[in-house]
Amino acid sequence: ETGVTQSPTHLIKTRGQQVTLRCSSQSGHNTVSWYQQALGQGPQFIFQYYREEENGRGNFPPRFSGLQFPNYSSELNVNALELDDSALYLCASSQDRASKNIQYFGAGTRLSVL
Amino acid sequence: DQQVKQNSPSLSVQEGRISILNCDYTNSMFDYFLWYKKYPAEGPTFLISISSIKDKNEDGRFTVFLNKSAKHLSLHIVPSQPGDSAVYFCAASVQGAQKLVFGQGTRLTINP
Repeated sequence: ETGVTQSPTHLIKTRGQQVTLRCSSQSGHNTVSWYQQALGQGPQFIFQYYREEENGRGNFPPRFSGLQFPNYSSELNVNALELDDSALYLCASSQDRASKNIQYFGAGTRLSVL
Repeated sequence: DQQVKQNSPSLSVQEGRISILNCDYTNSMFDYFLWYKKYPAEGPTFLISISSIKDKNEDGRFTVFLNKSAKHLSLHIVPSQPGDSAVYFCAASVQGAQKLVFGQGTRLTINP
């Protein structure tokens, strides 16, 4: 059984640029959630996708957007990058969108905005 | 508004002893709680969870206790082993909601 995989592992961008991060769900999982983890903090929920539709969103501006594909893989897009967007971005998959389903995390993509 | 708080940034415990990690929450609508462990350069790994209808859940060396009246949960690790050295996050969710709300994490170090 393949776990959650994310790419790339590290990324350096400059302010104002756009970035796309990718995530492959664990086999059998149809729900993907994205989190942002700033240094010294816990992960913060960005949004969740269930069967290719956004299924809940945290307190992040519209320049954070996402996609989920028919194979349940997912992308996180961030436009007009700001210095504060520098963080570890975590993707998590779960068997279903119900709150008591365990979310399984990938290793993350570390984004640095200069 | 920090709804889930882990007030101890770090904890050091001797190998073989009990490790107790604490977590407080403010939102009384939370009904499901989880603990994750994170090693450097890896994603958080699920450890153990508890529903609000219970006050204790045990899995091997790991036990989670929930005190709803105090809005407090704790993770006990007995006996502590060097491989337990990691950052531990508690997380909570509201039934029907999609997101996990995480605490800031506690770095546990097990000394030989």
